[in-house]
Amino acid sequence: NAGVTQTPKFQVLKTGQSMTLQCAQDMNHEYMSWYRQDPGMGLRLIHYSVGAGITDQGEVPNGYNVSRSTTEDFPLRLLSAAPSQTSVYFCASSYSTGRETQYFGPGTRLLVL
Amino acid sequence: SQQGEEDPQALSIQEGENATMNCSYKTSINNLQWYRQNSGRGLVHLILIRSNEREKHSGRLRVTLDTSKKSSSLLITASRAADTASYFCATDEADSSYKLIFGSGTRLLVRP
Repeated sequence: NAGVTQTPKFQVLKTGQSMTLQCAQDMNHEYMSWYRQDPGMGLRLIHYSVGAGITDQGEVPNGYNVSRSTTEDFPLRLLSAAPSQTSVYFCASSYSTGRETQYFGPGTRLLVL
Repeated sequence: SQQGEEDPQALSIQEGENATMNCSYKTSINNLQWYRQNSGRGLVHLILIRSNEREKHSGRLRVTLDTSKKSSSLLITASRAADTASYFCATDEADSSYKLIFGSGTRLLVRP
């Protein structure tokens, strides 16, 4: 099993550009989530999904969109990037809920100029 | 939203010593988890302790949970240089199974 994979590993954007961060898992997990990690602030939950077709907001959802058309994939979209979105983004998955062991991807480092 | 807060923010010890990190949280929980993050990598799950458990062991790790004080501690015994990493606690919300909230972490340096 590849576990949780994320692409790209690193991305540079200009302010106002859009992009999609990809996340996929091959463990047949129902629960998937996106976090951002900023220096000294730990991980903050952006969006999560409890299954295909079901998504909800976390702590810091503004500026981000998600969708979940399949169990395997949970892309994160930045519609109009801002410098404040410079961060490291982690995708995670678990069997069914946020209460369980989370399996994390390697992260995407995003720089918005 | 509630958040676990780790203490200390940074810890430097000699190889072979024990390392203790603490986590405090604000509201009732179902589970508390500890994760490790090596520099530039994703998080790796270490241990999960349920609200009705007081202590849990996994190898050189010992986790305690005091729900009356809303606090947890992670003890790493006989530390090794390879234990150098950031350690995070994460808590769910008692009335929601969908959100896992992380603290800001403790940076542990184990000197050879």
